[in-house]
Amino acid sequence: GENVEQHPSTLSVQEGDSAVIKCTYSDSASNYFPWYKQELGKGPQLIIDIRSNVGEKKDQRIAVTLNKTAKHFSLHITETQPEDSAVYFCAAQRNTDKLIFGTGTRLQVFP
Amino acid sequence: DSGVTQTPKHLITATGQRVTLRCSPRSGDLSVYWYQQSLDQGLQFLIQYYNGEERAKGNILERFSAQQFPDLHSELNLSSLELGDSALYFCASSVEPSAPSGEQFFGPGTRLTVL
Repeated sequence: GENVEQHPSTLSVQEGDSAVIKCTYSDSASNYFPWYKQELGKGPQLIIDIRSNVGEKKDQRIAVTLNKTAKHFSLHITETQPEDSAVYFCAAQRNTDKLIFGTGTRLQVFP
Repeated sequence: DSGVTQTPKHLITATGQRVTLRCSPRSGDLSVYWYQQSLDQGLQFLIQYYNGEERAKGNILERFSAQQFPDLHSELNLSSLELGDSALYFCASSVEPSAPSGEQFFGPGTRLTVL
């Protein structure tokens, strides 16, 4: 079946540094790729998404890139801040099928 | 605050019991999704309802069932509970039947502990 692999599982960075989280999907027909941030004790919250007709999307300090040929997509956070500390999930979806989530990356930003 | 509410926040029960988790979607959202999040399994899609009708099924056990009522709130029923059912259960809602046109908004979750 479809699956999404996410790496790394944990990531520690110094405040101000960049953080990169990578995902690989198996279903080549996937056309929607959201990223969710989950803070402790809360539900996941969408922070950015990208569709298959776009290679890159940026929103302030957050950017997502998509390589359809390699079936890779990545989340880039620049100038990290302590409040960026959370668990980040990538997901992939084909049309109106269910979202397939990655296993999550725990990001810790140290002051 | 996503606008999706879930009750209760915490639930502790014993093996073999039955529980009901409740979700109220954002105002105007017609789709409700249920997910299970456990430490070793990540976020697993269970089931989706759209405007009262079951729309998609994921890895939902036969011991679990759900429904969406005319007022669009949804309930997830878990029966014959086992230790392995201990997890966080999230509800999400969206306007459209599904993405990519509709973002899913997640509730705060219900933490179920089965002893």
